[in-house]
Amino acid sequence: GAGVSQTPSNKVTEKGKYVELRCDPISGHTALYWYRQSLGQGPEFLIYFQGTGAADDSGLPNDRFFAVRPEGSVSTLKIQRTERGDSAVYLCASSPQGGDTEAFFGQGTRLTVV
Amino acid sequence: AQTVTQSQPEMSVQEAETVTLSCTYDTSESNYYLFWYKQPPSRQMILVIRQEAYKQQNATENRFSVNFQKAAKSFSLKISDSQLGDTAMYFCAFGGATNKLIFGTGTLLAVQP
Repeated sequence: GAGVSQTPSNKVTEKGKYVELRCDPISGHTALYWYRQSLGQGPEFLIYFQGTGAADDSGLPNDRFFAVRPEGSVSTLKIQRTERGDSAVYLCASSPQGGDTEAFFGQGTRLTVV
Repeated sequence: AQTVTQSQPEMSVQEAETVTLSCTYDTSESNYYLFWYKQPPSRQMILVIRQEAYKQQNATENRFSVNFQKAAKSFSLKISDSQLGDTAMYFCAFGGATNKLIFGTGTLLAVQP
């Protein structure tokens, strides 16, 4: 596609449930990032993929969060046993190589845990 | 660790006027990049302008320019001839050796007709 696509756009789930958020990056971009943006805050880094591997997962808050990118393209962010504090906008970005190249963002998934 | 500070939670400017958004950062790295992103209500972060730290010349993109003061670790954004479509959240971001962006808390800019 022309840009980074994230699905769903909005997700409401009950506390304790499992959710998956999908990111479809720009074709050919090897670097993919996940960020979390809480209300009134700037995005906070979660994880960075270079190709299929997670090059940096230091931003994942705990072991309930996990992300994969099995074929080096689409990525899925998985959250187990969701908590109300997980409510936020989850942003995905991709870039041709990572590093100093421009990151292109998707429109995010707004997750609401009730 | 790197930090980015935006001390202006909200700013307002009249259409066609000029406004400056402030950003300071802290880092021990010598090679890095600084960015200003715009986030409209659609939530998509859009790159406005970027500055390489090794360049002394301030970056300019049409109506947008920066004042990069490396010694002071300051990186302000000037928007000239403000337009209604400039209304959005603006985030300053730092990109260094770790390949991830560190964002400030943002400034909500309202352009008044």
